[in-house]
Amino acid sequence: QSALTQPASVSGSPGQSITISCTGTSSDVGNYNYVSWYQQYPGKAPKLMIYDVNKRPSGVSSRFSGSKSGNTASLTISGLQAEDEADYYCCSSTGTFTYVFGTGTKVTVL
Amino acid sequence: QVQLVESGGGVVHTGESLRLSCAASGFTFSGRGIHWVRQAPGKGLEWVAFIRSDGSNEHYADSVKGRFAISRDNSKRMLYLQMNSLRLEDTAVYFCASSPPGYFDYWGQGTLATVSS
Repeated sequence: QSALTQPASVSGSPGQSITISCTGTSSDVGNYNYVSWYQQYPGKAPKLMIYDVNKRPSGVSSRFSGSKSGNTASLTISGLQAEDEADYYCCSSTGTFTYVFGTGTKVTVL
Repeated sequence: QVQLVESGGGVVHTGESLRLSCAASGFTFSGRGIHWVRQAPGKGLEWVAFIRSDGSNEHYADSVKGRFAISRDNSKRMLYLQMNSLRLEDTAVYFCASSPPGYFDYWGQGTLATVSS
């Protein structure tokens, strides 16, 4: 199972909105609504930001939103803040209890 | 609060074995499926293995199938990963993560396994 494709880096100025894409296939992203997104700071564990394509866990800012169209999922961060500078990973189910992660995107706040 | 604490990492040579552990607290461990996810130095996340809440079912990534074995002891609230025939490319930080269907909600801090030649 190949990793889902994400842009290596995305940048934006404070207050702007950015979108990170996550492209898979009809065997993963396109076939399941089990798409999730994770934020990771260097040396830290990943943190769940979005699950089931577009649901936000309690405590996650409403500035984070998710969507999906066909084989591509997206994470949008609106009102970009300095604290959003981190690595972001998408993840999709590939079948019963099996998963594949994206290649990861480094978000830089200019 | 929910806590997952990994241990057992270290340095081994290629072909050797290592057993990782994950101690859980703060939630109904016996009611949750648990995964192992790894991250090679400077690289992305890779899903490794899953075990159902009652231990009745396991799934593995192709890269570790036949070499790694996931297990759990619900009475001790412990998860394990037995890693055999280790390769250089198995060098990574290994995270345990609890999982409702479809995503990973709680993660441990990780334990580093280094395989050297």
